[in-house]
Amino acid sequence: QVQLQQSGPGLVKPSQTLSVTCAISGDSVSSNSATWNWIRQSPSRGLEWLGRTYYRSQWSADYAVSVKSRITITPDTSKNQFSLQLSSVTPEDTAIYYCVRQQAGFHYWGRGTLVTVSS
Amino acid sequence: DIVMTQSPDSLAVSLGERATINCKSSQSVLYSGNNKNCLAWFQQRPGQPPKLLINWASTRESGVPDRFSGSESGTDFTLTISSLQAEDVAVYYCQQFHSPPYTFGRGTKLETK
Repeated sequence: QVQLQQSGPGLVKPSQTLSVTCAISGDSVSSNSATWNWIRQSPSRGLEWLGRTYYRSQWSADYAVSVKSRITITPDTSKNQFSLQLSSVTPEDTAIYYCVRQQAGFHYWGRGTLVTVSS
Repeated sequence: DIVMTQSPDSLAVSLGERATINCKSSQSVLYSGNNKNCLAWFQQRPGQPPKLLINWASTRESGVPDRFSGSESGTDFTLTISSLQAEDVAVYYCQQFHSPPYTFGRGTKLETK
């Protein structure tokens, strides 16, 4: 059974960098059949896919155009986890952030991290 | 980006009655590898992450009651709950996973009448 455990600060100041980490159990971040995604949810934007990282003989990442200039998703194979960094945040980035495993469907979700952007 | 248009925004149905939620994709989400549509339905209860109910437009996930079913016609998709139970009160989302960015519908809030 795959489990995703999220961690990260709940409050970030405007213009700073938001960081959330997702620890994986029951699978490997280096799996060659899964992708590791970040999705956020807010009342104004609904459910929004932000990006993913995955390993297929080498590491790759894809990002949503809306955040492409500000986002980085990185794997950490030594800790079997992956992380989201979103720079230059504004109050519009206030949302619940979810890490999600995709393997022929988005079956496994973290519990979510509410991140508030406020001074 | 593929736009997912979901309707209605909200729906009130009596317990034991049928609930129907619709979703339309702005372009085909058919995967040529298995000739199936890359369309998923999720259920979200307050304070919880979305839960995958139906994958590939009509494949019910393990453990999902058989009163939930998904159907498709081209780029039109439907989630049907045949006999509404109290525990089905939630928000339902459709999602395409054909190609990134993976996009969701705006959600349908299902309540009891």
